[in-house]
Amino acid sequence: AQSVAQPEDQVNVAEGNPLTVKCTYSVSGNPYLFWYVQYPNRGLQFLLKYITGDNLVKGSYGFEAEFNKSQTSFHLKKPSALVSDSALYFCAVRGDSNYQLIWGAGTKLIIKP
Amino acid sequence: GAGVSQSPSNKVTEKGKDVELRCDPISGHTALYWYRQSLGQGLEFLIYFQGNSAPDKSGLPSDRFSAERTGGSVSTLTIQRTQQEDSAVYLCASSSAWDTQYFGPGTRLTVL
Repeated sequence: AQSVAQPEDQVNVAEGNPLTVKCTYSVSGNPYLFWYVQYPNRGLQFLLKYITGDNLVKGSYGFEAEFNKSQTSFHLKKPSALVSDSALYFCAVRGDSNYQLIWGAGTKLIIKP
Repeated sequence: GAGVSQSPSNKVTEKGKDVELRCDPISGHTALYWYRQSLGQGLEFLIYFQGNSAPDKSGLPSDRFSAERTGGSVSTLTIQRTQQEDSAVYLCASSSAWDTQYFGPGTRLTVL
């Protein structure tokens, strides 16, 4: 069965520190992995995706994510957090033979000044 | 505008009334999705349209929910005889085939 786990409901980071939001997955075939961000009272915004190629993917707003096949993980990272990064982050995955994205439950990221 | 648009942005209705939510996808996108998001929660898949193929309705929670997509573009999600548990944010997304989904701002539905 396909699944996505975001093990942390909330992550707290001080401004200027590096941040990591974790995501692990289980999918049949090759994974297509996505990160989205949701600011309060807004829709989801696409951040980045992994389909194939380099394991380190760079996206919007200085975010990047590392695909680790052996650990079936796709953690979201940023070297230096901003207060404006505070939002809800969703990881999603699909297999290469399925259109439907499987969504994680979301991680609330709080960046404190 | 080049993005996905949804209307209305907010809808307050009385229990038992019918509501229609509209989604205008990105021009040229063949795939359209509807999701439901309860307050601060994850996304619940509702329905998927792809081109002229029969829609995947497997996520619709009851027969009170229906959706159509006219001319391969605009979609309408209809909820009949609304219940309080239908209160949520309804999100629409579109994509080119199975590529990245781009979301609209959502419609916040409140059933009193």
